[in-house]
Amino acid sequence: EAGVAQSPRYKIIEKRQSVAFWCNPISGHATLYWYQQILGQGPKLLIQFQNNGVVDDSQLPKDRFSAERLKGVDSTLKIQPAKLEDSAVYLCASSPGWNTEAFFGQGTRLTVV
Amino acid sequence: KNEVEQSPQNLTAQEGEFITINCSYSVGISALHWLQQHPGGGIVSLFMLSSGKKKHGRLIATINIQEKHSSLHITASHPRDSAVYICAVRRSGGYQKVTFGIGTKLQVIP
Repeated sequence: EAGVAQSPRYKIIEKRQSVAFWCNPISGHATLYWYQQILGQGPKLLIQFQNNGVVDDSQLPKDRFSAERLKGVDSTLKIQPAKLEDSAVYLCASSPGWNTEAFFGQGTRLTVV
Repeated sequence: KNEVEQSPQNLTAQEGEFITINCSYSVGISALHWLQQHPGGGIVSLFMLSSGKKKHGRLIATINIQEKHSSLHITASHPRDSAVYICAVRRSGGYQKVTFGIGTKLQVIP
């Protein structure tokens, strides 16, 4: 079974630039999560989708971050414009339902300079 | 105070030692996860438990719901066990938001 795919693996951008991350969850998984993990900290939930609807985006900085899952499968997370403090690993995870075990992708390591 | 507290934050052990990592939480939960994160960022789910004890190979996870505490044990530790171990709790109610601990960085020395 293919796992959660994320791309790119690494990205370096200058502050005020824009960046987008892509996630392809495990086939059939209804729930998709985006997490931000700053170095030395545990992951923080940015947004949770149930199919193509947003369940929780309370910690998403909506002035600069946006995410979509238009067809209820793939998802993109965008940052526009990026700040230095956005440097982190962005993890995507998926699960069959909101009450089941989640499977994580390898993450995208973003460095903002 | 964080909803999920892990201890210790850093742990160095000799190969073969028995290792315990602790997790305490302050909210009502429906499940607790133990995750392993290797350098490079990939996260692997080790256990999801809501009561009692689970065992997989050299790994054992226990949870005491009344005391809001869980432990992850590694028997006969090996250098390949070196990783960050993260405790995450799934809150009860609603869409069961997941909150993560900061992680315990384990280094097993040969």
